[in-house]
Amino acid sequence: DQQVKQNSPSLSVQEGRISILNCDYTNSMFDYFLWYKKYPAEGPTFLISISSIKDKNEDGRFTVFLNKSAKHLSLHIVPSQPGDSAVYFCAYPGGGSEKLVFGKGTKLTVNP
Amino acid sequence: DAGVIQSPRHEVTEMGQEVTLRCKPISGHNSLFWYRQTMMRGLELLIYFNNNVPIDDSGMPEDRFSAKMPNASFSTLKIQPSEPRDSAVYFCASSSAVVGHGYGYTFGSGTRLTVV
Repeated sequence: DQQVKQNSPSLSVQEGRISILNCDYTNSMFDYFLWYKKYPAEGPTFLISISSIKDKNEDGRFTVFLNKSAKHLSLHIVPSQPGDSAVYFCAYPGGGSEKLVFGKGTKLTVNP
Repeated sequence: DAGVIQSPRHEVTEMGQEVTLRCKPISGHNSLFWYRQTMMRGLELLIYFNNNVPIDDSGMPEDRFSAKMPNASFSTLKIQPSEPRDSAVYFCASSSAVVGHGYGYTFGSGTRLTVV
């Protein structure tokens, strides 16, 4: 029973364009969401987070949007760069403040 | 800080053998997590410790899996006996939990386990 779903296993965009990564969730009882980025042969690294009291959080080229009524989370990368090519995971605290539940990930490829 | 250190990076073993994965968390972090990544299931939590005490092991697939954290700087995940379906990348992560929003884990580079 997956509580966070990333329905697109892969996404390919051109350099300079916008990348939009999506995540749907089922449990409305949360404090925040996080996005992680993972390069091959490395562990995931924290990218950006958003509190449940906000609907947007921006950090440079990365913006996360939260639509609570739709239970939908999205990560926008503008402009996309080849170095952004990685697997992106959305995650939220499940069953407490420490345990993170991850989606299956979306593999982003940014073509030069 | 060297980050979360996992060893070995790669492990190939025969079915039925015992496998031990090791993790050194970041100094000062009081929570440690073991995750497994597969194509089918993505990143799934196996077990986590807080202050060296196991808090939630509901993700451990079966009795063949066991984890220990004898002190704040070391943890092991053991599979005995190993089976081909255990083949995956195993990640260790640590955190200094802060109530609130925005904190995250620091992951190690993972151990790629192949059971043949």
